[in-house]
Amino acid sequence: QQQVKQSPQSLIVQKGGISIINCAYENTAFDYFPWYQQFPGKGPALLIAIRPDVSEKKEGRFTISFNKSAKQFSLHIMDSQPGDSATYFCAASKVQGAQKLVFGQGTRLTINP
Amino acid sequence: NAGVTQTPKFQVLKTGQSMTLQCAQDMNHNSMYWYRQDPGMGLRLIYYSASEGTTDKGEVPNGYNVSRLNKREFSLRLESAAPSQTSVYFCASSEGEQFFYGYTFGSGTRLTVV
Repeated sequence: QQQVKQSPQSLIVQKGGISIINCAYENTAFDYFPWYQQFPGKGPALLIAIRPDVSEKKEGRFTISFNKSAKQFSLHIMDSQPGDSATYFCAASKVQGAQKLVFGQGTRLTINP
Repeated sequence: NAGVTQTPKFQVLKTGQSMTLQCAQDMNHNSMYWYRQDPGMGLRLIYYSASEGTTDKGEVPNGYNVSRLNKREFSLRLESAAPSQTSVYFCASSEGEQFFYGYTFGSGTRLTVV
């Protein structure tokens, strides 16, 4: 079963533009929502994460927007740069217990110079 | 450097062969995980170990076994490899218990079964 759905599968953005990736989850027990960034040949690396007690979290050019009622969250990359070209995964889990992350399908982001 | 170390990085197996993927972490994390990554499927959990001495099935456990050798090491075994197990395998670890700051992933093992 796919508990976290991610869109789009691929995205092309011009340098300096805003990249937006969306995710929707089903399990209302989830209370931890991270985004991972993966470069070719590497393992995913934690980019930014949010808990459901806030609606937005910003770290530099990266922002997570969270809508608890709609069970959706999104990643915004401001002033996108060619170095941001990577695959991005959203994920969700419960903090307590086994901490099993459920991942979205991934978005391949390309930033054109 | 602190982190998660996976070996080997690449492997080609013939159908029916067996092999063990090794994973070790030096961050004193309690929980460890094995995922497989396939195009368009994201990362899917194979097995996990919430703490030393425990292991549990994830979403796609068929064809795999695991061993939590000690707090640092968590291995994944393919007893009789099949072409459907061609994938990139990632090991990850997290603090576990009441703390959760996300996973630290290894660099992956690219496995091809012919």
